[in-house]
Amino acid sequence: GPKVLQIPSHQIIDMGQMVTLNCDPVSNHLYFYWYKQILGQQMEFLVNFYNGKVMEKSKLFKDQFSVERPDGSYFTLKIQPTALEDSAVYFCASSTLWSSYEQYFGPGTRLTVL
Amino acid sequence: QQQVRQSPQSLTVWEGETAILNCSYEDSTFDYFPWYWQFPRESPALLIAIRPVSNKKEDGRFTIFFNKREKKLSLHITDSQPGDSATYFCAASGGGNYKPTFGKGTSLVVHP
Repeated sequence: GPKVLQIPSHQIIDMGQMVTLNCDPVSNHLYFYWYKQILGQQMEFLVNFYNGKVMEKSKLFKDQFSVERPDGSYFTLKIQPTALEDSAVYFCASSTLWSSYEQYFGPGTRLTVL
Repeated sequence: QQQVRQSPQSLTVWEGETAILNCSYEDSTFDYFPWYWQFPRESPALLIAIRPVSNKKEDGRFTIFFNKREKKLSLHITDSQPGDSATYFCAASGGGNYKPTFGKGTSLVVHP
């Protein structure tokens, strides 16, 4: 079936550094999402993105977070600067249309902030 | 405020039994209710979904029962198998809300 790719699978960085998480969504999908999941807990919506713009974001999407998809390349989540509480698995998802349709999730990037 | 609630938090059944996972929601404008399952160290994957035009959706051993009036739905897994052991997330979205909301999940263990 359709696949969402995420790079890297695991990232370890020092607190205060910048990190960029990359997502390669399904090719014909138009809506992109980032979720945060702390081990053993629920998926928490961060942000969704359509047509070059953030459509909606949650309170977890702090000022240190930003997203973009320059020229149809990777859909990225940048955290600058990182904090200890940013340690989690970040899942990217994409869908053909907006949130009332099936989302396909990537394998996740495990971010560890030391 | 938790928009989507799931119960129980964890559930253990024996192989062959029916597992029942519950979900309730707050926003009456939600119009799409997918259930995702997630195996340890894997990403969530869509299992089955329902829209409020139906009160039941069946796919093999998995059935969603939907009660729009009470804003409740449940996922029934008949003839449970050990391979069904996973965390099941109920989600809701729609009604002009671009933000899908996930419940906290139910961890299901099926013992052989």
